[in-house]
Amino acid sequence: QQPVQSPQAVILREGEDAVINCSSSKALYSVHWYRQKHGEAPVFLMILLKGGEQKGHDKISASFNEKKQQSSLYLTASQLSYSGTYFCGTETGNQFYFGTGTSLTVIP
Amino acid sequence: DTEVTQTPKHLVMGMTNKKSLKCEQHMGHRAMYWYKQKAKKPPELMFVYSYEKLSINESVPSRFSPECPNSSLLNLHLHALQPEDSALYLCASSQESPPIRGLDGYTFGSGTRLTVV
Repeated sequence: QQPVQSPQAVILREGEDAVINCSSSKALYSVHWYRQKHGEAPVFLMILLKGGEQKGHDKISASFNEKKQQSSLYLTASQLSYSGTYFCGTETGNQFYFGTGTSLTVIP
Repeated sequence: DTEVTQTPKHLVMGMTNKKSLKCEQHMGHRAMYWYKQKAKKPPELMFVYSYEKLSINESVPSRFSPECPNSSLLNLHLHALQPEDSALYLCASSQESPPIRGLDGYTFGSGTRLTVV
């Protein structure tokens, strides 16, 4: 039931782009994306509701393909502040599960 | 106020101790949650309170006892814990109960780092 994320880890240089994928085996009502820096709380980035929408948040955007039960997070022109662990979260009915996580490191 | 406040930030307790973790939010959120997070793992849901009533208990051992005194407060009472219970305990809240249909997700507190010795 826990969604699977890929890649598990990625290292980028400042200015490079990255894509993080989230895949579920269950039909999804919505997908959330969170970023957690070491020793801190997860911070909500965005939510995508059923309907195949794409959303943007500064240089971070995401898409949701409900038929494939997948979501992708796109980070463009990465900044040092983007470093952290990214979790997707999926809602199926009233159950919410965090994904396996993707560690993203941006280096100068 | 757009924060979830958790106290204490750090807690060391023996296996025979009784302690409590506290969580507070003043955003008018109707649902509150306890999560447990081990190092390099995603948060795992423990309990969900919706309109001050316990709606989900994810088969958590009875040594963890949640309490929701009012719509702004959430406690987690700890008793006879084991060393493997050492983890980061996160409180979260949301405007509505799951499934969330609005544009806001979960707001997390900064957590309590618990060490059981």
